[in-house]
Amino acid sequence: KAGVTQTPRYLIKTRGQQVTLSCSPISGHRSVSWYQQTPGQGLQFLFEYFSETQRNKGNFPGRFSGRQFSNSRSEMNVSTLELGDSALYLCASSLRPDNSYEQYFGPGTRLTVT
Amino acid sequence: SQQGEEDPQALSIQEGENATMNCSYKTSINNLQWYRQNSGRGLVHLILIRSNEREKHSGRLRVTLDTSKKSSSLLITASRAADTASYFCATEESGGSNYKLTFGKGTLLTVNP
Repeated sequence: KAGVTQTPRYLIKTRGQQVTLSCSPISGHRSVSWYQQTPGQGLQFLFEYFSETQRNKGNFPGRFSGRQFSNSRSEMNVSTLELGDSALYLCASSLRPDNSYEQYFGPGTRLTVT
Repeated sequence: SQQGEEDPQALSIQEGENATMNCSYKTSINNLQWYRQNSGRGLVHLILIRSNEREKHSGRLRVTLDTSKKSSSLLITASRAADTASYFCATEESGGSNYKLTFGKGTLLTVNP
């Protein structure tokens, strides 16, 4: 099976712009999670989707949003970009919808905001 | 906020030696997982240990969990240069459906050939 794919892999944006990142989970996986990784804050949970429903959201401002489509593919959007949004954004998918699950991560999208 | 805290932050050993990393966390958990990340890439799942388990093995990996001390350790035996990576523990808090993992800041392991 193909792994989790994320597009684009690298992105450079200017402050104030918005950006959309895409994630395609492993075939058959219906849970998709997003994480932000920065040197200062480490890995932080953004949100999780299952069957097109957001089930949990991390402590991020409303500029960060996401959605999941019926084929389980997911997108996240960041509006009005700030310098501090520069980070590696990781998407992960999981097979099981319950609480004890291992997640399969994509390679990430490296976002640089200038 | 960070749930797990790994110790040490960095570890440098010679090939063939064992590497031990520790993780402490703050709340009650359903399970604890360990992941590996190679130089800014995606994370790779290594092992999951549930709250009612005390020890688990997978190949050269051994994980222990002490829920009374809210701590876990990851032992990599007979390390190889290819084990050089950052290692993270991640916890799923108990008490309802959280559907998220909370990661520590990681231990950077360097295995010298």
